[in-house]
Amino acid sequence: NAGVTQTPKFQVLKTGQSMTLQCAQDMNHEYMSWYRQDPGMGLRLIHYSVGAGITDQGEVPNGYNVSRSTTEDFPLRLLSAAPSQTSVYFCASSQGQGPQPQHFGDGTRLSIL
Amino acid sequence: GENVEQHPSTLSVQEGDSAVIKCTYSDSASNYFPWYKQELGKRPQLIIDIRSNVGEKKDQRIAVTLNKTAKHFSLHITETQPEDSAVYFCAGYNFNKFYFGSGTKLNVKP
Repeated sequence: NAGVTQTPKFQVLKTGQSMTLQCAQDMNHEYMSWYRQDPGMGLRLIHYSVGAGITDQGEVPNGYNVSRSTTEDFPLRLLSAAPSQTSVYFCASSQGQGPQPQHFGDGTRLSIL
Repeated sequence: GENVEQHPSTLSVQEGDSAVIKCTYSDSASNYFPWYKQELGKRPQLIIDIRSNVGEKKDQRIAVTLNKTAKHFSLHITETQPEDSAVYFCAGYNFNKFYFGSGTKLNVKP
């Protein structure tokens, strides 16, 4: 098992550009989530999904879109990048729909100029 | 929504001593409390978790305690080793969402 795979590992964007951060898991986990990690602020939930076809907002959803067309994939889209979205982004997955331990990907370090 | 606060933000201990990190939460509906360890530049990794129907859980040198009445939970690491140096995050879960504390940087001095 590869676990949770995130691509790319690093990305530099210009303000106003759009891009998609990819996340895939091969553990048949129902729950998937996206976080951003900023210095001194821990991890903040952007969006999450409890299963294919179901997504919902977390704490900081503005400026981001998600979709869940398959169990395996949960891409995060930045619609129009802003410098405030410079951060490290982590994708995570867990079994079932209730509270379970999350498995994190290696993260994507995103810089927006 | 839930608010999870974590203290201290930094903690320095001598090798062999114990370390305690504390978290409080605001929403009594929260029912699952994991702890993650994150080494520099790496992914967070689960080290221990506790559910709301349990007061204490131990795994070798690591233990977590939960006080539902006071809405706080704590991570205890005994006999600390240099490889315990990392950032530790607590989290609370309710209604499909995880809420993380701001992290504690633990430094274990040899």
